Amino acid sequence: GAGVSQSPRYKVAKRGQDVALRCDPISGHVSLFWYQQALGQGPEFLTYFQNEAQLDKSGLPSDRFFAERPEGSVSTLKIQRTQQEDSAVYLCASSFTTSGIYEQYFGPGTRLTVT
Amino acid sequence: AQSVTQLDSHVSVSEGTPVLLRCNYSSSYSPSLFWYVQHPNKGLQLLLKYTSAATLVKGINGFEAEFKKSETSFHLTKPSAHMSDAAEYFCVVSGLTSGTYKYIFGTGTRLKVLA
Repeated sequence: GAGVSQSPRYKVAKRGQDVALRCDPISGHVSLFWYQQALGQGPEFLTYFQNEAQLDKSGLPSDRFFAERPEGSVSTLKIQRTQQEDSAVYLCASSFTTSGIYEQYFGPGTRLTVT
Repeated sequence: AQSVTQLDSHVSVSEGTPVLLRCNYSSSYSPSLFWYVQHPNKGLQLLLKYTSAATLVKGINGFEAEFKKSETSFHLTKPSAHMSDAAEYFCVVSGLTSGTYKYIFGTGTRLKVLA
């Protein structure tokens, strides 16, 4: 069956440009998460959606980052005025429930390089 | 608060020999624990999970992990390494923080399998 998909897989942006990263979760999954994975590190939580509601954005590193999931399915992570420190892999994950005992299913990630 | 410590950043084993990847966790209540594997340019794949049922958990591809509350450990093992096991492995604790179940990732262990 279809898993979590993300696009683009690779994105190169010049410093100061805006970027938009897309996530298509598994159909019917209630929960959607965004993570940032710096080189050589484990993923770090950015934000969480339950259906269309953004319930937690405590991990967003600055006000240049924002995310939306307007219809409770596809989500977009937008980064404005990109900086070099934004270079990382951005992972999206979804889960069919809101409970933490169930696994999250991850997409392949978008590798963002800011030059 | 929850946290995870992966004790080895790199582990090398010979093909056919046992694998041991170490993980210690900290949690203020009974945690849910997961091991994920990440192959290059691939998404994170769930190997196994512990959610307060049996303490010895069997996963895919011959991997196992044992939850030891007294040692706050959740080490990953495999009796015989295969070349295809070479990848990055992440130990994860799922914790309720500010009303949201979040994954807290360890920093990862890179497993190298020598022919």
